[in-house]
Amino acid sequence: EDQVTQSPEALRLQEGESSSLNCSYTVSGLRGLFWYRQDPGKGPEFLFTLYSAGEEKEKERLKATLTKKESFLHITAPKPEDSATYLCAVRGSQGNLIFGKGTKLSVKP
Amino acid sequence: NAGVTQTPKFQVLKTGQSMTLQCAQDMNHNSMYWYRQDPGMGLRLIYYSASEGTTDKGEVPNGYNVSRLNKREFSLRLESAAPSQTSVYFCASRQGPEETQYFGPGTRLLVL
Repeated sequence: EDQVTQSPEALRLQEGESSSLNCSYTVSGLRGLFWYRQDPGKGPEFLFTLYSAGEEKEKERLKATLTKKESFLHITAPKPEDSATYLCAVRGSQGNLIFGKGTKLSVKP
Repeated sequence: NAGVTQTPKFQVLKTGQSMTLQCAQDMNHNSMYWYRQDPGMGLRLIYYSASEGTTDKGEVPNGYNVSRLNKREFSLRLESAAPSQTSVYFCASRQGPEETQYFGPGTRLLVL
C-alpha cells in the first residue's frame, strides 16, 4: 500500500535557525515526489517535484532532496514568512497524489 | 488566468440538506480531482476525472457524487449531508498523468 509519513508534526524555529523536514514514503515504483506549501485558509501551493534518488531542487531558502526511501525539505536561515504547513505527496497508481499529514512550521522573529 | 476556482468559499448546511460544490479551471487541463482535508488526516481523494466524460472513485467516495460538466468544470454533490462531511474540500487539476497538480482555494463546509 502506498504510504507517506511526515515528521515532525510541528516544528518551531527561531528566525535564522536552519532545519529539515522529513518525508518517508512507500510506493511501488516512484513516479514523482511532490512538496507543497499550505498557508492557513488557502489551498496547497506547489513547490517541487523530485523523480529519482539523488535529485535536488532549490527555491529561495528551500532545498528538497530525495533518496530511495525518503525526502528532506531543508530550510536555510528561515524567516517568519516561511511559516506554513509543508505537505509531501507521492503519485499513486491512479495518478492521484497520496499525501502525508504535513509538518506545521512556525518561525519566530 | 485564474487557475483553479471554487465556489462557494464557505457553506453551512443542516443534516440531510443537499448542495453542489463547483470547481472550474482555465488551464485547459485534462484531469480534475476532488479532495477533502480533515485535521490529523491529511488530504484524501474523493473522486477524480482523468479526462472529459470519465469519472472514478477515490479513497473516500461514499456520500458524494460528481459530474464532469465539460473540460473546464467538475462539480461535487452531497445528496444528503451528514456531520461527518464537515471538512475543507479542495479541487485540483493537471494537464497529464505525469504533470503537476494545481489546487483551488478550497470550500469550507460545516454540517450541523
